Amino acid sequence: KQEVTQIPAALSVPEGENLVLNCSFTDSAIYNLQWFRQDPGKGLTSLLLIQSSQREQTSGRLNASLDKSSGRSTLYIAASQPGDSATYLCAVRSDNYGQNFVFGPGTRLSVLP
Amino acid sequence: DARVTQTPRHKVTEMGQEVTMRCQPILGHNTVFWYRQTMMQGLELLAYFRNRAPLDDSGMPKDRFSAEMPDATLATLKIQPSEPRDSAVYFCASGTPGQGTYEQYFGPGTRLTVT
Repeated sequence: KQEVTQIPAALSVPEGENLVLNCSFTDSAIYNLQWFRQDPGKGLTSLLLIQSSQREQTSGRLNASLDKSSGRSTLYIAASQPGDSATYLCAVRSDNYGQNFVFGPGTRLSVLP
Repeated sequence: DARVTQTPRHKVTEMGQEVTMRCQPILGHNTVFWYRQTMMQGLELLAYFRNRAPLDDSGMPKDRFSAEMPDATLATLKIQPSEPRDSAVYFCASGTPGQGTYEQYFGPGTRLTVT
């Protein structure tokens, strides 16, 4: 059974800092991995999707990397802003467990002005 | 700006009542997912459909939950009878497996409170 964990569970940083969020998964036979952002009381917004054959994806100040063999992905946020405050979830689509995504518990990020 | 819509956004009901949640996927998306999010369990997959056919509903309590897609523009999740432990936010998401891509697009969710 695929299990996804995220570290840290919560993170508070001052504005302007670069930061890294971590996602780990137990079964490396994945199809792709997707990072989402969730604002309080809202749905999930897709940030980046990395195919299993890719090493990284970039969108603006966000960069996501994938290391399938070690079962890890990182989301790098450059020059953080208060508007980045949200919960960040990673989701893994596995080859071996149907075609659904398994979500991590999320990292709650607070960027202080 | 295509998006997934869900109704109602909030629902408060008494234990034992029937609850129906609706989802309109993005036009052209052939896969629809239902998720439940709670503080304790996080985001859990309940069921998903491909081309309106149920592919996996193993995450759903079968005795009280049912999911259907009467047509390509409507997915429903029904709970009968509802229980307090069903209180959660229920999300619908849609997507389409393309040429090596498979993103999910989430609706705003239905916040269900069962008293």
